[in-house]
Amino acid sequence: SQTIHQWPATLVQPVGSPLSLECTVEGTSNPNLYWYRQAAGRGLQLLFYSVGIGQISSEVPQNLSASRPQDRQFILSSKKLLLSDSGFYLCAWSRPIVGFGSGTRLTVV
Amino acid sequence: GIQVEQSPPDLILQEGANSTLRCNFSDSVNNLQWFHQNPWGQLINLFYIPSGTKQNGRLSATTVATERYSLLYISSSQTTDSGVYFCAVELPADRGSTLGRLYFGRGTQLTVWP
Repeated sequence: SQTIHQWPATLVQPVGSPLSLECTVEGTSNPNLYWYRQAAGRGLQLLFYSVGIGQISSEVPQNLSASRPQDRQFILSSKKLLLSDSGFYLCAWSRPIVGFGSGTRLTVV
Repeated sequence: GIQVEQSPPDLILQEGANSTLRCNFSDSVNNLQWFHQNPWGQLINLFYIPSGTKQNGRLSATTVATERYSLLYISSSQTTDSGVYFCAVELPADRGSTLGRLYFGRGTQLTVWP
């Protein structure tokens, strides 16, 4: 069966520190992958999407970047976190029905 | 982009009650999904319903694509139904949208009391 894994589940990081969130999918090949962010418990905003290895598109300018080093791996990164980067980050894939990972709750302090 | 509006924003029910959640969207869509976000943040896909009616247990959904709205029905509410319900739509490919790129409404916060 097809599954999506996302980690860590929670993260508390100081301002200015780096970030790396990882998402991997199993049971499929060449999926479209997405990073969404949810702030204040409502409304999901698309940050990045990828249609293949090394292919990244950004929806909004920000302090974050994404990479897809392998077909089923999608990484969200930052060199220096800001307070405004706090939120709930969700990885998603399309099959084409969209399914989501369990999310990472990031608090920048 | 496309506007996705959900109503009501908040809903409080007694266990056993029925409810209807609404999603209006401003343009033609290729896909519509209803999600339930549980208290731990997990988004669970409830329905993939670009048109027509589907039922799954106590939940059912209807999308009238020509009139640009969808309804989610919850019957005999249970406390485990609490959480936020999201409607999300995908634009057609000829609008330049990426497959799977979803536009979300702001959700309906449902609280079911015992």
